[in-house]
Amino acid sequence: DGGITQSPKYLFRKEGQNVTLSCEQNLNHDAMYWYRQDPGQGLRLIYYSQIVNDFQKGDIAEGYSVSREKKESFPLTVTSAQKNPTAFYLCASSIDGSYGGELFFGEGSRLTVL
Amino acid sequence: KQEVTQIPAALSVPEGENLVLNCSFTDSAIYNLQWFRQDPGKGLTSLLLIQSSQREQTSGRLNASLDKSSGRSTLYIAASQPGDSATYLCAVRSNDYKLSFGAGTTVTVRA
Repeated sequence: DGGITQSPKYLFRKEGQNVTLSCEQNLNHDAMYWYRQDPGQGLRLIYYSQIVNDFQKGDIAEGYSVSREKKESFPLTVTSAQKNPTAFYLCASSIDGSYGGELFFGEGSRLTVL
Repeated sequence: KQEVTQIPAALSVPEGENLVLNCSFTDSAIYNLQWFRQDPGKGLTSLLLIQSSQREQTSGRLNASLDKSSGRSTLYIAASQPGDSATYLCAVRSNDYKLSFGAGTTVTVRA
């Protein structure tokens, strides 16, 4: 089955620790995205990548980092610099790099900082 | 900056009633609009994508309309069922390819 796989589904982190969320897609999509979802708010863009080895900051990139070494993989690291990291994180992809294509999402990863 | 609003934030209807969900946006220069469904604790599932040149898009019991000039899109769900209970989000892609999401409408269909 084609789709987007995010792992882990749930993650607990102590303050001061970096954590990495995994996102893998087998849809052969060029573009990949990371969003953050907080209760009562719309999704906010953290980072996006149009092609391998290229990525751009979104609206709330501070405290996060990404890499795009392979077309199918776009991991997100939540660093200790992120002041309020507890949230639901969603990875998405679209077929083309012009960002105009239909967006498909993974099942999400819930991060809780203890 | 594109602002996307979904009102009401929550809606409860009896089974069988038609659902009407609203999405408003402030900048009519859009590339496309996408409707999603989200179940609690899950990711988003794409329902319909409407290009800016289209007036509506249909899939089964779902119909989405788009009126760019008034900055509105409406998602109609015919003959609602308890399984339609979820949060419905719209996302507007502007001509600069930026995507803006509404906060969603949470629907409860009562059996």
